[in-house]
Amino acid sequence: AQTVTQSQPEMSVQEAETVTLSCTYDTSESNYYLFWYKQPPSRQMILVIRQEAYKQQNATENRFSVNFQKAAKSFSLKISDSQLGDTAMYFCAFGDAGNMLTFGGGTRLMVKP
Amino acid sequence: DAGVIQSPRHEVTEMGQEVTLRCKPISGHNSLFWYRQTMMRGLELLIYFNNNVPIDDSGMPEDRFSAKMPNASFSTLKIQPSEPRDSAVYFCASSPWTSGDLAKNIQYFGAGTRLSVL
Repeated sequence: AQTVTQSQPEMSVQEAETVTLSCTYDTSESNYYLFWYKQPPSRQMILVIRQEAYKQQNATENRFSVNFQKAAKSFSLKISDSQLGDTAMYFCAFGDAGNMLTFGGGTRLMVKP
Repeated sequence: DAGVIQSPRHEVTEMGQEVTLRCKPISGHNSLFWYRQTMMRGLELLIYFNNNVPIDDSGMPEDRFSAKMPNASFSTLKIQPSEPRDSAVYFCASSPWTSGDLAKNIQYFGAGTRLSVL
């Protein structure tokens, strides 16, 4: 079974600055995906970014990028130029070959004006 | 595409009553998931359907919970009888996954149903 750990329960960042959210995971599988989901106060779970384990190149989506360190089993999310609308819970998730997701406990991010 | 549609958005009921939550997955998706989110336990997978067949229901808390997927466009999660500890946000998600195609392992979530059992 996989485990996903987010060691930062809460974080804050000033608007326009950069913040990095941490995620580590444990698995014996070699083929998998990793995801970051955002849950704003509206509670809708929104896919932010995903990374294929077999790709060494880090995924990027506009202001969101990841630092994927496969050997270290680390998958951090960097948010550049933080905006007030980035305030949300962020969940790291592990996706296995069997179509299942294992979620971390979440990091609550507050963007301050 | 309208995305995953869940109803109702909010449900308030009294202990002992039957509660039915509904989900319409994204058209063409063949996998459907029911999750429960609470402050104490985070996001928990309750049950997973593939091609309308339940694949993994090990997360269903007890016999009071049941889920059905009579066709590819509709699923229900029923709690009977409901208890205050069932109060949570219940999410439905769907995925276009096919076996061996990990690239399709993306789950799209509905807006959730907030259930309050008094």
